[in-house]
Amino acid sequence: AQKVTQAQTEISVVEKEDVTLDCVYETRDTTYYLFWYKQPPSGELVFLIRRNSFDEQNEISGRYSWNFQKSTSSFNFTITASQVVDSAVYFCALSRGGGSQGNLIFGKGTKLSVKP
Amino acid sequence: SQTIHQWPATLVQPVGSPLSLECTVEGTSNPNLYWYRQAAGRGLQLLFYSVGIGQISSEVPQNLSASRPQDRQFILSSKKLLLSDSGFYLCASTAGGDEKLFFGSGTQLSVL
Repeated sequence: AQKVTQAQTEISVVEKEDVTLDCVYETRDTTYYLFWYKQPPSGELVFLIRRNSFDEQNEISGRYSWNFQKSTSSFNFTITASQVVDSAVYFCALSRGGGSQGNLIFGKGTKLSVKP
Repeated sequence: SQTIHQWPATLVQPVGSPLSLECTVEGTSNPNLYWYRQAAGRGLQLLFYSVGIGQISSEVPQNLSASRPQDRQFILSSKKLLLSDSGFYLCASTAGGDEKLFFGSGTQLSVL
């Protein structure tokens, strides 16, 4: 069965701290995609990143970085020098059916609070 | 880029009343459309998806139904709402060969 686990329900940090959000997934597919979405208080989900199962290179985008490790089935997300605007719920997701489709399995999310 | 419109933003309905949530997509054609629900304290769950007009696939048995009368219109309905239908409903779309899933702003439904 396919599953996404975000063990951290809530995290609270002080501005400028680094924070890592964990994501562990289970799948029997050899080809799959992993995603991270941000849900600010307004509710709309904002796409952050998509990574396919064949690309284990880590990715950095500004203060955001992602560490994909197939050996441990993990796709962790790190925010460097966090800011108050980073406060949101972050979801990790896994595509079903071996392809990049909108049919995703989501984790339960991690609520990040960044305090000034 | 595509834009997804959802309305209303919030809705309070009594148990047993009907429901109709509408989603329209701009900026793309032939999108795949999705309805997700986010219950309080839980992740998102896929309810329905559609790959074309009149084509609906249901992921979970439930009190809701979906329809796609036009290429860029996706409707979520119920004849009689239950308390358990409360939640945050999100419409989403993928299109143009890019399978990134884009979301609308959501509808917060409270069934009382």
